[in-house]
Amino acid sequence: DAGITQSPRYKITETGRQVTLMCHQTWSHSYMFWYRQDLGHGLRLIYYSAAADITDKGEVPDGYVVSRSKTENFPLTLESATRSQTSVYFCASTPGNEQYFGPGTRLTVT
Amino acid sequence: AQSVSQHNHHVILSEAASLELGCNYSYGGTVNLFWYVQYPGQHLQLLLKYFSGDPLVKGIKGFEAEFIKSKFSFNLRKPSVQWSDTAEYFCAVNNNAGNMLTFGGGTRLMVKP
Repeated sequence: DAGITQSPRYKITETGRQVTLMCHQTWSHSYMFWYRQDLGHGLRLIYYSAAADITDKGEVPDGYVVSRSKTENFPLTLESATRSQTSVYFCASTPGNEQYFGPGTRLTVT
Repeated sequence: AQSVSQHNHHVILSEAASLELGCNYSYGGTVNLFWYVQYPGQHLQLLLKYFSGDPLVKGIKGFEAEFIKSKFSFNLRKPSVQWSDTAEYFCAVNNNAGNMLTFGGGTRLMVKP
């Protein structure tokens, strides 16, 4: 089925480890986004991508790296995880205007 | 830069009560407006959207929102809530020229049966 998927759905990792969260969409939308959702902060944009090989920082990019070699994939990497990166991460894509969200990844950094 | 404010962080209602959630944005130009809903443990889903035309927008599940340009507001309403409306609601805005959304902080609604 067409849509946007994220993996893993749940992840527990230790401080200092590298973690990659995957996002895949089947619509061929140009724009893709990564958000983190934390109590009291709503949704905050980490990085976004306008097309393959074009990425840019959002509101809270520190500690994260993204790449987009193919239109359908937009992985998010935490190079050295910290406890402050414990959060729920949502990937989204858009054909223009409204965004479609993935199911989220709940990441816990111990 | 645009910003979105949702003044009610937590709302508790009884079933059949009427709902109004406030959303105000700051942006001087033409905007597109959205309400998203996030049910417990789920991802965000689009509830309704306004691009142009009739400022009273009907969405899914009996929700509606009214765009009042002079007040920079896009409040969400429902005449009679149900227990199943328990969720977090997010207002979002984009500036009609791009694909970036600015989200409000969200309102957690709990409906008591």
